[in-house]
Amino acid sequence: DAGITQSPRYKITETGRQVTLMCHQTWSHSYMFWYRQDLGHGLRLIYYSAAADITDKGEVPDGYVVSRSKTENFPLTLESATRSQTSVYFCASSDWSGNQPQHFGDGTRLSIL
Amino acid sequence: TQLLEQSPQFLSIQEGENLTVYCNSSSVFSSLQWYRQEPGEGPVLLVTVVTGGEVKKLKRLTFQFGDARKDSSLHITAAQPGDTGLYLCAGARGSTLGRLYFGRGTQLTVWP
Repeated sequence: DAGITQSPRYKITETGRQVTLMCHQTWSHSYMFWYRQDLGHGLRLIYYSAAADITDKGEVPDGYVVSRSKTENFPLTLESATRSQTSVYFCASSDWSGNQPQHFGDGTRLSIL
Repeated sequence: TQLLEQSPQFLSIQEGENLTVYCNSSSVFSSLQWYRQEPGEGPVLLVTVVTGGEVKKLKRLTFQFGDARKDSSLHITAAQPGDTGLYLCAGARGSTLGRLYFGRGTQLTVWP
């Protein structure tokens, strides 16, 4: 089915571990985004990508790494997880124009103990 | 620094009441989008407004884009429990194609 899927939906890990969140979209949208959502902060942009092999920092990129070798995939890696990275992470995609809507996945709830 | 300020942050009303949510900025946006998010799901687009002064209606929801394209409002008439959710405004800027700047959201609860 067409859409955007995130995996896993839930993840518990320990501080210092590396964890990768996956995002896959079937629309061939050029833009993809990673946000984190925390109470009191709303949605904050971590990284985004305008096309394969093109990525750019958002508001809160520290501690995160992204790659985009294929248009449809945009994994987010926490290289050494910290408790402050406990959050709900959303991936989104959109077509090339800024006026196009962003289509969101259902999120990954990440807890770091 | 938050480019878009949403107010109020929380709204709790009875079924049948009217309400307005505001989204304000000192910056100009090329377009403004409104999203609604339910628990356990990602935000879903409700509407996009592009022209200054534009008004769009979606059943009982009315969206307005300010003349100067710096602010927007969402008005709900005769709210229903099904309107409960987190409402987010998001602005697009011509200088950063593809990227949206989100407000912090308004959590609306409509009691039967």
